[in-house]
Amino acid sequence: QLVESGGGLVQPGESLRLSCVASGYPFSNFWMTWVRQAPGKGLEWLANIKEDGSETYYVDSLKGRFTISRDSAKNSVYLQMNSPRVEDTALYYCARVRKGGFFDLWGRGTLVTVSS
Amino acid sequence: QSALTQPASVSGSPGQSITISCTGTSSDVGNYKYVSWYQQYPGEAPKLIICEVNNRPSGVSSRFSGSKSGNTASLTISGLQADDEADYYCTSYASGKTYVFGSGTKVTVL
Repeated sequence: QLVESGGGLVQPGESLRLSCVASGYPFSNFWMTWVRQAPGKGLEWLANIKEDGSETYYVDSLKGRFTISRDSAKNSVYLQMNSPRVEDTALYYCARVRKGGFFDLWGRGTLVTVSS
Repeated sequence: QSALTQPASVSGSPGQSITISCTGTSSDVGNYKYVSWYQQYPGEAPKLIICEVNNRPSGVSSRFSGSKSGNTASLTISGLQADDEADYYCTSYASGKTYVFGSGTKVTVL
């Protein structure tokens, strides 16, 4: 399973790090991804990270503000959110990426609210 | 990286078949076999129902099927049931090792 944490209420510009802990499968064998969903809106893909952390990819609109990373020793993937904006308010999901480009295991999400 | 285009809503009566379209470009849907579909109930995480255009993961009903032609992928739900009422999202692998989701479709069972 995947369990996200680290969400909460933050002020615009205040950094936040989301965590996602994996269990029940060999974490180091899979790419991981972050997806978000603003209240009442659709899903938005944010970022990917390779099995060994050597490659990362982002949606263009996020580049430079958010950083994805992982720690295999802790079976965890992270999303560092720098300079968050009000429009980053959303439920943030982590998911496992399978060869074939699909997301077969999802967490329940962690809610981030950016507001002054 | 514009969202793939889906109809905002689709409805059907129990037992009927419905089809949800997902239109992208030659940089995503049209260029890769990596189109997947997700079902999401309110307050829940998305669930994978179709991968690699037309493959069903274990445990997913055979009433769900997928296809693709050119830049458009489609999800068909046959024998519509009350518990098919949910939001449905497509996603595609895209150039630059990125992904893009569809805008989402709300399915209503009349």
